[in-house]
Amino acid sequence: QVQLQESGPGLVKPSETLSLTCTVSGGSISGYYWSWIRQSPGKGLEWIGYIFYQGSTNYNPSVRSRVTMSVATSKSQFSLKLSSVTAADTAVYYCARGDYYDSSAFEPWGQGTLVTVSS
Amino acid sequence: QSVLTQPPSVSAAPGQKVTISCSGSSSNIGNNYVSWYQQLPGTAPKLLIYENNKRPSGIPDRFSGSKSGTSATLGITGLQTGDEADYYCGAWDNSLSGRGVFGGGTKLTVL
Repeated sequence: QVQLQESGPGLVKPSETLSLTCTVSGGSISGYYWSWIRQSPGKGLEWIGYIFYQGSTNYNPSVRSRVTMSVATSKSQFSLKLSSVTAADTAVYYCARGDYYDSSAFEPWGQGTLVTVSS
Repeated sequence: QSVLTQPPSVSAAPGQKVTISCSGSSSNIGNNYVSWYQQLPGTAPKLLIYENNKRPSGIPDRFSGSKSGTSATLGITGLQTGDEADYYCGAWDNSLSGRGVFGGGTKLTVL
């Protein structure tokens, strides 16, 4: 079955750029919408945005000015960059798959990776 | 402040039934499908219900979903201690160019 795995630095300094990659295995990256979702410690879920396998994107207005997503279909990977981070961006970051552009049904999810913003 | 509103906690005894509510608006639940997730401690959320009331393969029929107007409900019957988890509702929101939104989560305690 399809599996997702996030990778990237676990510690980022304030004002710098957070960069994460999600690798898709066991299935194709084509035809789907690939989302990033984060969860601050002890808090709920926040949808960051998605990238369609063809490259179109949609970002949450809460982070739109700071976020960039990209996809590398040949590598079965998609990526997240979040600039000018602050302590408020400390969270577990998940990647997940959606079937259509306005779907809230994300499955599967990666295991998540904790990113701490601290100097 | 989450866009969708859930009760912070619910509890029930093993074997009993519990429901978790999720309240939204016309821009999200009122005009889009609702999904439900279970998050066990230290793990990623797991999809329990999609398109209001459908269960992915492998999800037992003890879990059910319904929607009416701008609210949705997750039902769990035959509660087990292993059901203790955080539960989240989610929906697409048509405002602000469209975005995914979630509830704040409900902690289920099986007494």
